[in-house]
Amino acid sequence: SQTIHQWPATLVQPVGSPLSLECTVEGTSNPNLYWYRQAAGRGLQLLFYSVGIGQISSEVPQNLSASRPQDRQFILSSKKLLLSDSGFYLCAWSSKTGLGNTIYFGEGSWLTVV
Amino acid sequence: GENVEQHPSTLSVQEGDSAVIKCTYSDSASNYFPWYKQELGKGPQLIIDIRSNVGEKKDQRIAVTLNKTAKHFSLHITETQPEDSAVYFCAASILGQNFVFGPGTRLSVLP
Repeated sequence: SQTIHQWPATLVQPVGSPLSLECTVEGTSNPNLYWYRQAAGRGLQLLFYSVGIGQISSEVPQNLSASRPQDRQFILSSKKLLLSDSGFYLCAWSSKTGLGNTIYFGEGSWLTVV
Repeated sequence: GENVEQHPSTLSVQEGDSAVIKCTYSDSASNYFPWYKQELGKGPQLIIDIRSNVGEKKDQRIAVTLNKTAKHFSLHITETQPEDSAVYFCAASILGQNFVFGPGTRLSVLP
């Protein structure tokens, strides 16, 4: 069966510090990968998605970036965090094959920028 | 592009009563509609989904209905229990790609 892991689960970082959140998917190959952000009590905002290694699409302009160095690894980064970067970050994956394949989320990473 | 609206934004029901959450979508090409439950501090979990060739699907106390003509789909939870309290998200997609999520509904089941 497929599983998705992301870490760290919680993170408190000062303004201006770098960020690295990692996500890996097991039990599947060539997945679509996503990073979402969720502000407190709000909906899901798509930040990045990737259809393959090195292929990243950005949905919103920001000081965050994403990379996909391996087929099942997705990394969210920032060189200098802003207070507004605080939130709940979710990695997700979906399959390219078949019809009606759903999107599966990781457990999330809480980021607090202080 | 696709736009998904979800109502109500908050819903309170008494334990044992039914809860209904409704979503509308704009793109008639959308053909896959999942529902997610998100508990506090956790990632959303798929609870039920429906494809456009089906009008209704049921899984124990949870059911989803789809009206393609009106472009809306609804989540029905019967005999609600306190553990049903969570935020629920609907989504629409085309062939399992390009997911667009609704803004969410916070359901509170009062004992």
